[in-house]
Amino acid sequence: KQEVTQIPAALSVPEGENLVLNCSFTDSAIYNLQWFRQDPGKGLTSLLLIQSSQREQTSGRLNASLDKSSGRSTLYIAASQPGDSATYLCAVITDKLIFGTGTRLQVFP
Amino acid sequence: EPEVTQTPSHQVTQMGQEVILRCVPISNHLYFYWYRQILGQKVEFLVSFYNNEISEKSEIFDDQFSVERPDGSNFTLKIRSTKLEDSAMYFCASSAWGTDTEAFFGQGTRLTVV
Repeated sequence: KQEVTQIPAALSVPEGENLVLNCSFTDSAIYNLQWFRQDPGKGLTSLLLIQSSQREQTSGRLNASLDKSSGRSTLYIAASQPGDSATYLCAVITDKLIFGTGTRLQVFP
Repeated sequence: EPEVTQTPSHQVTQMGQEVILRCVPISNHLYFYWYRQILGQKVEFLVSFYNNEISEKSEIFDDQFSVERPDGSNFTLKIRSTKLEDSAMYFCASSAWGTDTEAFFGQGTRLTVV
Protein backbone atom coordinates (compact mmCIF):
# COMPACT_ATOMS: atom_id res chain seq x y z
CA LYS A 1 0.00 0.00 0.00
CA GLN A 2 1.37 3.40 -1.01
CA GLU A 3 2.28 5.65 1.92
CA VAL A 4 3.16 9.30 1.37
CA THR A 5 4.96 11.25 4.09
CA GLN A 6 5.98 14.88 4.25
CA ILE A 7 8.73 16.34 6.37
CA PRO A 8 8.75 18.65 8.21
CA ALA A 9 5.17 18.70 9.46
CA ALA A 10 5.47 22.39 10.26
CA LEU A 11 7.95 25.12 9.47
CA SER A 12 8.20 28.73 10.59
CA VAL A 13 10.75 30.98 8.88
CA PRO A 14 11.50 34.69 8.42
CA GLU A 15 10.71 36.31 5.12
CA GLY A 16 13.38 35.96 2.44
CA GLU A 17 14.60 32.47 3.31
CA ASN A 18 14.92 29.73 0.73
CA LEU A 19 13.00 26.61 1.76
CA VAL A 20 12.95 22.91 0.98
CA LEU A 21 9.88 20.82 1.63
CA ASN A 22 10.22 17.05 1.40
CA CYS A 23 7.84 14.35 0.21
CA SER A 24 8.62 10.63 0.32
CA PHE A 25 6.62 7.69 -0.96
CA THR A 26 6.99 3.96 -0.44
CA ASP A 27 6.11 2.59 -3.89
CA SER A 28 8.05 3.97 -6.85
CA ALA A 29 5.46 2.67 -9.35
CA ILE A 30 3.81 6.06 -9.84
CA TYR A 31 2.82 7.93 -12.96
CA ASN A 32 3.28 11.50 -11.82
CA LEU A 33 3.49 13.70 -8.73
CA GLN A 34 1.66 16.92 -8.05
CA TRP A 35 2.23 19.65 -5.46
CA PHE A 36 -0.65 21.67 -4.02
CA ARG A 37 -1.14 24.58 -1.70
CA GLN A 38 -4.02 24.67 0.79
CA ASP A 39 -5.00 27.81 2.67
CA PRO A 40 -6.91 27.31 5.96
CA GLY A 41 -10.45 26.13 5.34
CA LYS A 42 -9.99 26.43 1.58
CA GLY A 43 -9.54 24.24 -1.46
CA LEU A 44 -6.42 22.85 -3.07
CA THR A 45 -4.50 25.01 -5.51
CA SER A 46 -2.30 23.12 -7.95
CA LEU A 47 1.28 24.38 -7.97
CA LEU A 48 3.24 21.95 -10.13
CA LEU A 49 2.75 18.62 -11.88
CA ILE A 50 5.88 16.54 -12.48
CA GLN A 51 5.39 13.74 -14.97
CA SER A 52 7.30 10.51 -14.40
CA SER A 53 9.55 11.18 -17.38
CA GLN A 54 10.63 14.52 -15.90
CA ARG A 55 13.04 15.10 -13.07
CA GLU A 56 11.97 18.62 -12.24
CA GLN A 57 9.49 21.37 -12.96
CA THR A 58 9.67 25.11 -12.30
CA SER A 59 7.06 27.82 -11.88
CA GLY A 60 8.21 31.26 -10.76
CA ARG A 61 9.88 30.95 -7.34
CA LEU A 62 8.92 27.27 -7.07
CA ASN A 63 10.99 24.35 -8.23
CA ALA A 64 9.97 20.73 -7.70
CA SER A 65 12.13 17.68 -8.30
CA LEU A 66 11.23 14.02 -8.53
CA ASP A 67 13.42 10.97 -7.95
CA LYS A 68 11.21 7.94 -8.44
CA SER A 69 13.91 5.38 -7.69
CA SER A 70 14.51 6.79 -4.23
CA GLY A 71 10.84 7.60 -3.64
CA ARG A 72 11.39 11.30 -3.07
CA SER A 73 10.25 14.69 -4.25
CA THR A 74 11.28 18.10 -3.00
CA LEU A 75 9.61 21.47 -3.37
CA TYR A 76 12.04 24.38 -3.28
CA ILE A 77 10.62 27.84 -2.52
CA ALA A 78 13.00 30.71 -3.24
CA ALA A 79 12.92 34.01 -1.36
CA SER A 80 9.89 33.14 0.76
CA GLN A 81 7.19 35.75 1.41
CA PRO A 82 4.43 36.03 4.05
CA GLY A 83 1.93 35.26 1.28
CA ASP A 84 3.51 31.81 0.93
CA SER A 85 2.11 30.87 4.34
CA ALA A 86 -0.14 27.84 3.80
CA THR A 87 -0.12 24.06 3.98
CA TYR A 88 1.74 22.37 1.14
CA LEU A 89 0.60 18.93 0.03
CA CYS A 90 2.24 16.48 -2.31
CA ALA A 91 0.24 13.78 -4.06
CA VAL A 92 1.60 10.78 -5.90
CA ILE A 93 -0.45 9.79 -8.87
CA THR A 94 -1.26 6.26 -9.97
CA ASP A 95 -4.85 5.81 -11.07
CA LYS A 96 -5.78 8.35 -8.39
CA LEU A 97 -4.04 10.94 -6.23
CA ILE A 98 -2.66 9.73 -2.91
CA PHE A 99 -1.93 12.66 -0.65
CA GLY A 100 0.79 13.22 1.88
CA THR A 101 0.40 14.49 5.40
CA GLY A 102 1.27 18.08 4.48
CA THR A 103 3.78 20.69 5.64
CA ARG A 104 2.29 23.73 7.38
CA LEU A 105 4.44 26.73 6.46
CA GLN A 106 4.44 30.08 8.19
CA VAL A 107 6.57 32.91 6.80
CA PHE A 108 6.76 35.90 9.12
CA PRO A 109 7.80 39.44 8.14
CA GLU B 1 -9.00 31.09 -15.91
CA PRO B 2 -11.23 27.99 -15.89
CA GLU B 3 -12.00 26.60 -12.47
CA VAL B 4 -13.92 23.85 -10.73
CA THR B 5 -16.87 25.26 -8.79
CA GLN B 6 -18.67 23.58 -5.92
CA THR B 7 -21.93 24.36 -4.19
CA PRO B 8 -22.84 24.83 -1.46
CA SER B 9 -19.70 26.00 0.33
CA HIS B 10 -21.11 24.80 3.66
CA GLN B 11 -23.97 22.46 4.44
CA VAL B 12 -25.33 21.44 7.80
CA THR B 13 -27.58 18.40 7.88
CA GLN B 14 -29.18 16.14 10.45
CA MET B 15 -27.95 12.59 10.83
CA GLY B 16 -29.90 10.24 8.58
CA GLN B 17 -30.75 12.90 6.00
CA GLU B 18 -29.73 12.74 2.36
CA VAL B 19 -27.38 15.35 0.96
CA ILE B 20 -26.31 16.18 -2.57
CA LEU B 21 -23.06 18.00 -3.17
CA ARG B 22 -22.72 19.68 -6.52
CA CYS B 23 -19.76 20.39 -8.74
CA VAL B 24 -19.20 21.98 -12.12
CA PRO B 25 -15.92 20.62 -13.52
CA ILE B 26 -13.80 22.49 -16.05
CA SER B 27 -15.72 22.36 -19.30
CA ASN B 28 -13.38 20.37 -21.56
CA HIS B 29 -12.26 17.92 -18.89
CA LEU B 30 -13.22 14.26 -19.14
CA TYR B 31 -12.24 12.82 -15.75
CA PHE B 32 -13.97 13.73 -12.52
CA TYR B 33 -13.20 12.89 -8.93
CA TRP B 34 -14.45 13.29 -5.39
CA TYR B 35 -12.08 13.46 -2.43
CA ARG B 36 -12.73 14.24 1.19
CA GLN B 37 -10.72 15.61 4.10
CA ILE B 38 -11.79 14.99 7.66
CA LEU B 39 -10.61 17.81 9.90
CA GLY B 40 -6.93 17.40 10.71
CA GLN B 41 -6.50 14.37 8.45
CA LYS B 42 -5.19 13.61 4.98
CA VAL B 43 -7.12 14.22 1.79
CA GLU B 44 -8.64 10.83 0.83
CA PHE B 45 -9.81 9.53 -2.52
CA LEU B 46 -13.47 8.56 -2.81
CA VAL B 47 -14.29 7.93 -6.46
CA SER B 48 -13.25 8.62 -10.04
CA PHE B 49 -15.68 8.94 -12.95
CA TYR B 50 -15.13 8.77 -16.69
CA ASN B 51 -17.37 8.26 -19.67
CA ASN B 52 -20.48 8.30 -17.50
CA GLU B 53 -19.40 5.54 -15.20
CA ILE B 54 -17.33 4.97 -12.09
CA SER B 55 -13.79 3.97 -13.01
CA GLU B 56 -12.56 3.41 -9.47
CA LYS B 57 -13.83 3.78 -5.93
CA SER B 58 -12.27 3.48 -2.51
CA GLU B 59 -13.47 1.36 0.39
CA ILE B 60 -14.93 4.54 1.90
CA PHE B 61 -17.32 4.81 -1.07
CA ASP B 62 -19.90 2.28 0.11
CA ASP B 63 -23.56 1.89 -0.82
CA GLN B 64 -24.39 5.12 0.99
CA PHE B 65 -22.58 7.08 -1.69
CA SER B 66 -23.41 7.61 -5.33
CA VAL B 67 -22.26 9.90 -8.11
CA GLU B 68 -24.03 11.18 -11.15
CA ARG B 69 -23.46 13.42 -14.11
CA PRO B 70 -27.06 14.48 -14.69
CA ASP B 71 -26.29 16.80 -17.59
CA GLY B 72 -23.33 18.04 -19.58
CA SER B 73 -21.97 20.29 -16.88
CA ASN B 74 -22.80 19.08 -13.37
CA PHE B 75 -21.24 16.28 -11.35
CA THR B 76 -22.90 15.35 -8.06
CA LEU B 77 -22.10 13.31 -4.98
CA LYS B 78 -25.05 11.97 -3.03
CA ILE B 79 -24.88 10.61 0.49
CA ARG B 80 -28.10 8.74 1.19
CA SER B 81 -28.26 8.63 4.96
CA THR B 82 -25.61 10.79 6.56
CA LYS B 83 -23.68 9.75 9.64
CA LEU B 84 -21.75 11.90 12.07
CA GLU B 85 -18.49 10.52 10.65
CA ASP B 86 -19.39 11.86 7.19
CA SER B 87 -18.60 15.34 8.48
CA ALA B 88 -15.69 16.52 6.36
CA MET B 89 -14.63 18.85 3.57
CA TYR B 90 -15.57 17.31 0.23
CA PHE B 91 -13.54 18.27 -2.81
CA CYS B 92 -14.46 17.80 -6.43
CA ALA B 93 -11.66 17.64 -9.00
CA SER B 94 -11.34 17.29 -12.73
CA SER B 95 -8.58 16.58 -15.21
CA ALA B 96 -8.42 16.68 -18.97
CA TRP B 97 -7.09 13.19 -19.72
CA GLY B 98 -6.94 11.32 -16.44
CA THR B 99 -3.90 10.95 -14.23
CA ASP B 100 -1.47 11.96 -16.96
CA THR B 101 -2.73 15.52 -16.72
CA GLU B 102 -2.98 18.07 -13.96
CA ALA B 103 -5.90 17.70 -11.56
CA PHE B 104 -7.76 20.89 -10.60
CA PHE B 105 -9.72 21.03 -7.38
CA GLY B 106 -12.71 23.05 -6.33
CA GLN B 107 -12.93 25.11 -3.16
CA GLY B 108 -14.75 22.34 -1.35
CA THR B 109 -18.04 21.85 0.46
CA ARG B 110 -17.83 21.66 4.22
CA LEU B 111 -20.40 19.11 5.34
CA THR B 112 -21.40 19.12 9.00
CA VAL B 113 -23.64 16.31 10.20
CA VAL B 114 -25.35 16.99 13.53
